[in-house]
Amino acid sequence: QKEVEQNSGPLSVPEGAIASLNCTYSDRGSQSFFWYRQYSGKSPELIMFIYSNGDKEDGRFTAQLNKASQYVSLLIRDSQPSDSATYLCAVNSNFGNEKLTFGTGTRLTIIP
Amino acid sequence: KAGVTQTPRYLIKTRGQQVTLSCSPISGHRSVSWYQQTPGQGLQFLFEYFSETQRNKGNFPGRFSGRQFSNSRSEMNVSTLELGDSALYLCASSFLRDTGELFFGEGSRLTVL
Repeated sequence: QKEVEQNSGPLSVPEGAIASLNCTYSDRGSQSFFWYRQYSGKSPELIMFIYSNGDKEDGRFTAQLNKASQYVSLLIRDSQPSDSATYLCAVNSNFGNEKLTFGTGTRLTIIP
Repeated sequence: KAGVTQTPRYLIKTRGQQVTLSCSPISGHRSVSWYQQTPGQGLQFLFEYFSETQRNKGNFPGRFSGRQFSNSRSEMNVSTLELGDSALYLCASSFLRDTGELFFGEGSRLTVL
């Protein structure tokens, strides 16, 4: 079982709609959760992080965390063509010997 | 504020050779992590250095090694290159260790022929 799982996509969403990206993780001891965006040919950049159960909003982005279900999601409201990228979920696992584990990413395409 | 700088950006090697990649972190960042990115496996953690000491290591063979200097600059070395080592090698820096808030460089794309 992979430590961090994401649907590879591609996920196609019309411009202006809500894009929903999902991620599950296997380590119940995981403490912190991150979403990175990677444009084609570029390096990943951090867009959101969440440490507590519930929702965290930042502009058009909302991160949601449910530790009981071992599930974290990213919602992008009013999707724009510039949001087209691969979104990587990352989890800090192995509490006490922490390393960041990435999912393989979900490729998102916003259709104008 | 300058970002994370990696050199070289592209390189081509043949099997059996060795390669050294360099990473200069953001000024003031003392933690440097290295990742290998391939289409099939995604981002795989190689190792993390903090204050010149390796703090964490991923599941890679001993052919992969690294070090960090007193100015926080880091190098990684891969010896006896194999075709499967072809990948994008990403360096990331952070102010704290054991954090997921990483700043990535543009990467070094290695092709092994």
